[in-house]
Amino acid sequence: GEDVEQSLFLSVREGDSSVINCTYTDSSSTYLYWYKQEPGAGLQLLTYIFSNMDMKQDQRLTVLLNKKDKHLSLRIADTQTGDSAIYFCAESSSNFGNEKLTFGTGTRLTIIP
Amino acid sequence: EAQVTQNPRYLITVTGKKLTVTCSQNMNHEYMSWYRQDPGLGLRQIYYSMNVEVTDKGDVPEGYKVSRKEKRNFPLILESPSPNQTSLYFCASSSRTGHYTFGSGTRLTVV
Repeated sequence: GEDVEQSLFLSVREGDSSVINCTYTDSSSTYLYWYKQEPGAGLQLLTYIFSNMDMKQDQRLTVLLNKKDKHLSLRIADTQTGDSAIYFCAESSSNFGNEKLTFGTGTRLTIIP
Repeated sequence: EAQVTQNPRYLITVTGKKLTVTCSQNMNHEYMSWYRQDPGLGLRQIYYSMNVEVTDKGDVPEGYKVSRKEKRNFPLILESPSPNQTSLYFCASSSRTGHYTFGSGTRLTVV
């Protein structure tokens, strides 16, 4: 079945850039997502990229997709304390609808003052 | 406000006592789904529904039931909860071509 992998932890100094990486196995992925989960909260959709794109930028967020290597990354520029959260990578491979998102384990981002 | 509402937010129960976690969405979405989140495992899909009266198993359906009698509601039923069902549960909904919106979660503890 589909598999999505992420490292569990990342620590970054405030003001630096954070790069969170994700690899996936499903070559038929259509959309790839980044969700943010703050303590005690649900999942907030941060951004997504369609599988035929290489890059997407949205303010401080940059998503890079290497489809050949099945590698997705999320870069957060000028990381702030409010960026502390768990970040989930997810992929959707349904061609007919949205039956399923497959999630990674989540990366806990800690900001060092 | 467009949202997915789950209740309760927190629940402590005893082994074997049937419980239902409710989920409701006000966006007229066709798709609804239940996930459980466990440390180190991410989110895993329990059940999903493509429309009224259409449901199917996800990756970890054992011990759970769902129903979709109305488009807006998708309750998760644990007929005989066990301690290994202690987890954080999320309901989510999406349109057929849109992206999922998640509820705030239900933290369930089975003792």
